[in-house]
Amino acid sequence: DVKVTQSSRYLVKRTGEKVFLECVQDMDHENMFWYRQDPGLGLRLIYFSYDVKMKEKGDIPEGYSVSREKKERFSLILESASTNQTSMYLCASTQTPYGYTFGSGTRLTVV
Amino acid sequence: AQSVTQPDIHITVSEGASLELRCNYSYGATPYLFWYVQSPGQGLQLLLKYFSGDTLVQGIKGFEAEFKRSQSSFNLRKPSVHWSDAAEYFCAVGARNAGNMLTFGGGTRLMVKP
Repeated sequence: DVKVTQSSRYLVKRTGEKVFLECVQDMDHENMFWYRQDPGLGLRLIYFSYDVKMKEKGDIPEGYSVSREKKERFSLILESASTNQTSMYLCASTQTPYGYTFGSGTRLTVV
Repeated sequence: AQSVTQPDIHITVSEGASLELRCNYSYGATPYLFWYVQSPGQGLQLLLKYFSGDTLVQGIKGFEAEFKRSQSSFNLRKPSVHWSDAAEYFCAVGARNAGNMLTFGGGTRLMVKP
């Protein structure tokens, strides 16, 4: 089975800190995605990547950036964390349009 | 652009009762359709998917879904709910000409009464 691993399950950061969320997949998938999940809002796409060094903005990219230097790793960066970025962050990967494989999520709290 | 609506935010059913979770999508052609389940504190797990062919799709854990083009719906069903089915369920749509990106509905939280 494909595994998507998010490095942290829980994170607490201070306002203004630079935050890195890491995601690694082990099946050579080309496509990787970052979503945030908030109650009542479902999953909203932040950024996605179709290939190494390629990135595309999703629906809510403001305040975020991404990095994909290697095919298996897709990092989400909060340049200056703010309290409204407190959320659950989900990484996913897929090779085909046959559904995503998700990581377990990172619950980020910004204080 | 495609969109997905899950009209029911919360649903409570008794254990052993049947279940139907509603999903309506907006897309100009036949989309890819998915149902995912999320247990508390976990990521999302794929329950089933529809691409083409038979409009009744079987998934894992005894779930099924039916694609109805005329109603733009892809409702999820289970004949007899178990307490372990309590979770949040997400419907998602993928456009056939837009790579691999999915758009998700807002989710339905299922509670199961003993």
